[in-house]
Amino acid sequence: NAGVMQNPRHLVRRRGQEARLRCSPMKGHSHVYWYRQLPEEGLKFMVYLQKENIIDESGMPKERFSAEFPKEGPSILRIQQVVRGDSAAYFCASSPSRYEQYFGPGTRLTVT
Amino acid sequence: AQRVTQPEKLLSVFKGAPVELKCNYSYSGSPELFWYVQYSRQRLQLLLRHISRESIKGFTADLNKGETSFHLKKPFAQEEDSAMYYCALPFYNQGGKLIFGQGTELSVKP
Repeated sequence: NAGVMQNPRHLVRRRGQEARLRCSPMKGHSHVYWYRQLPEEGLKFMVYLQKENIIDESGMPKERFSAEFPKEGPSILRIQQVVRGDSAAYFCASSPSRYEQYFGPGTRLTVT
Repeated sequence: AQRVTQPEKLLSVFKGAPVELKCNYSYSGSPELFWYVQYSRQRLQLLLRHISRESIKGFTADLNKGETSFHLKKPFAQEEDSAMYYCALPFYNQGGKLIFGQGTELSVKP
């Protein structure tokens, strides 16, 4: 069973562009979590999704950020009109049941 | 408010020395706590969870409800233990999201 996959691993965007981060959960996992790690900080929860549903988006900034986990395909974290402060590592985790999360390698977003 | 605190950003020890990485939590209820480890260029992985009471790679952690702590200990550090360590608190009644501490970088010198 391949682990959680994230792509791209590194993404560079200019201010104002859109960033799309993808997360493919482990086979059989229907729970997906996104976390953000700003420089010199720990991981912070952003959003929790199940197939076709956003369950908890309490950690997501109110503007410019959105997430989805469609019936088919990977989960997508989308950041519109990126700003320098969005530069961070974005981690995805998947779980079969909420009780143990398996992490992907992360996507490092750099906004220039 | 629920939170996890790791007071040390960096802990540097010599090989063979004892190690203790500190974790304190604030939680109204009976918590479950995890330690995650991230070796260089690798993904975050679960090291141990307090309910299993296991010893993984020689590491142990005991939940002290009186001191609200979950410190990670190892009697004799090895160079391969050098990594980032994160203490985490799951919220199962909120979908299982994890609240992480800031992380402690452990550096074990030869």
